[in-house]
Amino acid sequence: KQEVTQIPAALSVPEGENLVLNCSFTDSAIYNLQWFRQDPGKGLTSLLLIQSSQREQTSGRLNASLDKSSGRSTLYIAASQPGDSATYLCAVLDSNYQLIWGAGTKLIIKP
Amino acid sequence: DAMVIQNPRYQVTQFGKPVTLSCSQTLNHNVMYWYQQKSSQAPKLLFHYYDKDFNNEADTPDNFQSRRPNTSFCFLDIRSPGLGDAAMYLCATSSDSRSNYEQYFGPGTRLTVT
Repeated sequence: KQEVTQIPAALSVPEGENLVLNCSFTDSAIYNLQWFRQDPGKGLTSLLLIQSSQREQTSGRLNASLDKSSGRSTLYIAASQPGDSATYLCAVLDSNYQLIWGAGTKLIIKP
Repeated sequence: DAMVIQNPRYQVTQFGKPVTLSCSQTLNHNVMYWYQQKSSQAPKLLFHYYDKDFNNEADTPDNFQSRRPNTSFCFLDIRSPGLGDAAMYLCATSSDSRSNYEQYFGPGTRLTVT
């Protein structure tokens, strides 16, 4: 059974720092991996999707990597800003075409 | 812009009073999903439609029903809401013929049960 873990559960860093969020999964048989952002009380915003055949995707200050063989993905945020404060969720699309979710990392960027 | 729309954004209902949440999409995706998300938890899949085929998750309570009258619309009916059903309800869509099953989410409906 696929399980997705995100570490740390919470992270607080000063503005301007680069940071890395981690996501691990137990079964490498995935179709893709998505990173989402969720602001308090709001819905989900898709940030990046990495297909199983890809190694990384970039969008602005965000870079997501995927290492299927080791069951790991990272979300790198460069030059963090207070507006980046949110919960970040990763999810893998498993062999049944279902999204399996991590519990999220709550990120706080201190001005 | 193509999108997933959920109405209403906020819904208050009384304990035991049936409520319907709606989702529409302009993406022409053939798969539609309903998720329940409680505070500080990951979304939990309730059910999904693959075209007209309904797929219920094994642990989704019978209190939750869904209808998909056409490609664009999908409804979530909660027959007798309990206090434990207060949550954010998220609708998502995907396509098996493009976008490689990437799921697109609506803004959610926050349900309060009084």
